[in-house]
Amino acid sequence: QVQLVQSGAEVKKPGASVKVSCKASGYTFTTYDINWVRQATGQGLEWMGWMSPNSGNTGYAQKFQGRVTLTRDTSISTAYMELTSLNSEDTGVYYCSREGDGYKYWGQGTLVTVSS
Amino acid sequence: SYDLTQPLSLSVALGQTATINCGGDDIESKNVHWYQKKPGQAPVLVIYRDYNRPSGIPERFSGSNSENTATLTISRVQVEDEADYYCQVWDRSSSVVFGGGTKLAVL
Repeated sequence: QVQLVQSGAEVKKPGASVKVSCKASGYTFTTYDINWVRQATGQGLEWMGWMSPNSGNTGYAQKFQGRVTLTRDTSISTAYMELTSLNSEDTGVYYCSREGDGYKYWGQGTLVTVSS
Repeated sequence: SYDLTQPLSLSVALGQTATINCGGDDIESKNVHWYQKKPGQAPVLVIYRDYNRPSGIPERFSGSNSENTATLTISRVQVEDEADYYCQVWDRSSSVVFGGGTKLAVL
């Protein structure tokens, strides 16, 4: 069965960076794009970007351009999302999801708390 | 950029029908997906490509898309349907876009 398992919760200080991992299993990792979606505290779902695990190609939402980097390690079927220059508005839950007809498969979410 | 507009909230009596709209310019030309989001849980895809139900989603969930409005309909609403619902499309200029979300309360 398809599974996406994300890394654990993080607490960061303002100005720091965070890197969240998303390990895929149950399918061929390079076949489907991985997208990242976040839900900041009290806000709605917000798309951050996509990455092709096959080619490494990426695309980012304009809001996060210059602050987010999506990468992968195909040898361990894992995708990564790094967000820099964190501020309090970045506090929330970050999800990876697998591309398809809509996003049927999601990671469990990673809570990132930005606090001094 | 492409925008999707949803009502902030909707209240429906138990057993009645909930209708959640998602407005967007010429949205009928796009594939619309709908997600259910409960606190502390990952989103769940309930409708894909306008009206298709993934396996495991009750038949009470249905979707449509016409002109400038896509609609998620939940018939015979149950207590467990209380959640936030989001529409989503892919747009050439904005890539992936989510609506602002609709909070469904079951009375």
